[in-house]
Amino acid sequence: AQKVTQAQTEISVVEKEDVTLDCVYETRDTTYYLFWYKQPPSGELVFLIRRNSFDEQNEISGRYSWNFQKSTSSFNFTITASQVVDSAVYFCALSRGFNKFYFGSGTKLNVKP
Amino acid sequence: DTEVTQTPKHLVMGMTNKKSLKCEQHMGHRAMYWYKQKAKKPPELMFVYSYEKLSINESVPSRFSPECPNSSLLNLHLHALQPEDSALYLCASSQDGVGQGGSPLHFGNGTRLTVT
Repeated sequence: AQKVTQAQTEISVVEKEDVTLDCVYETRDTTYYLFWYKQPPSGELVFLIRRNSFDEQNEISGRYSWNFQKSTSSFNFTITASQVVDSAVYFCALSRGFNKFYFGSGTKLNVKP
Repeated sequence: DTEVTQTPKHLVMGMTNKKSLKCEQHMGHRAMYWYKQKAKKPPELMFVYSYEKLSINESVPSRFSPECPNSSLLNLHLHALQPEDSALYLCASSQDGVGQGGSPLHFGNGTRLTVT
């Protein structure tokens, strides 16, 4: 069975603070894909990153970085120097490559000025 | 700008009405999806079309009827809905068909549906 857990329901930070969103997944498959999506108040889900199970390299994109660790089944997301525009709900998701995505429950990030 | 376009953005309908939600993508993606999202919850998969054929139906009630007229269009026909069906309905597309890889979902802005 596939499962994604985002234990942090809501996080509040002050602008310019760094924040890490946790994602822990469960799967017995050796081939799988992990994703992060951002959902601002407007409603659209925005794709941020995809990682496949064979690529454990961390990735940095501007203020965003992702830490994938198979040993702990985690795929954490860090925002450096957070901004008010980062306020959104962030979803972590797992796919086995058969068009079925397993979403975590989401973490609501509030960035206060 | 989103590359998946959904219309209408908002829809209010009575329980006896028939309405349709529309979705369009021009990225050449081979799979299209309908998701339902309730407030403060993750999206729930409803249907997947792969190469214009229905490949996944997550035991959705028959009052929701999907249709894929061609590779770029996806419709969701609504009939005799209940107030608990009120939600954000999201359309998405992905490059790969079923079983062909882990390409990401690209979502539209959604239709906020209210059933009165």
